[in-house]
Amino acid sequence: DVKVTQSSRYLVKRTGEKVFLECVQDMDHENMFWYRQDPGLGLRLIYFSYDVKMKEKGDIPEGYSVSREKKERFSLILESASTNQTSMYLCASSLRRLGAFFGQGTRLTVV
Amino acid sequence: GESVGLHLPTLSVQEGDNSIINCAYSNSASDYFIWYKQESGKGPQFIIDIRSNMDKRQGQRVTVLLNKTVKHLSLQIAATQPGDSAVYFCAENYGGSQGNLIFGKGTKLSVKP
Repeated sequence: DVKVTQSSRYLVKRTGEKVFLECVQDMDHENMFWYRQDPGLGLRLIYFSYDVKMKEKGDIPEGYSVSREKKERFSLILESASTNQTSMYLCASSLRRLGAFFGQGTRLTVV
Repeated sequence: GESVGLHLPTLSVQEGDNSIINCAYSNSASDYFIWYKQESGKGPQFIIDIRSNMDKRQGQRVTVLLNKTVKHLSLQIAATQPGDSAVYFCAENYGGSQGNLIFGKGTKLSVKP
């Protein structure tokens, strides 16, 4: 089975902190994605990567950056956390244009 | 812009009945569709997918139907069980080379015992 693992289930951070969300997949997938999920807004794509060291902006990249130094790991970085970044963050991976498999999610609260 | 949508935001069914969850898509270039199930506090779980060269695909207790003429996708769950209670949402791949998906907002399925 595909396994996508996010480093934390719950995080509480202070406004202005730099936050790292880590994601690891074990199926050698080329594509990896970071989404945030908010009530009434559904899943929104922040960034994605289709290869090591490659990254592309999604629909809402502002305030975020990403890093993909190894194929299996995709990190989401909040440069200076703000309260409007309180959300559920979901990492996913996929093989080429097939369906994406998601991690369990990280619920981030910024206070 | 073009997006995936759902007809019904909530659906309540009796245990043992069949459930049908609908989805409309607007991008005629989309050629791959997926249904996901998301239980409370968990990440979305891949259920079943279908390519545009098919009209129907069956899994275990689930069937996805694709009607390209009216750009409609449905998920049928047979003999719905309490464990099926979740939010279901569809996603479409609009043909982007990197596998980007557009997600619908979701339908909440509640199963009454």
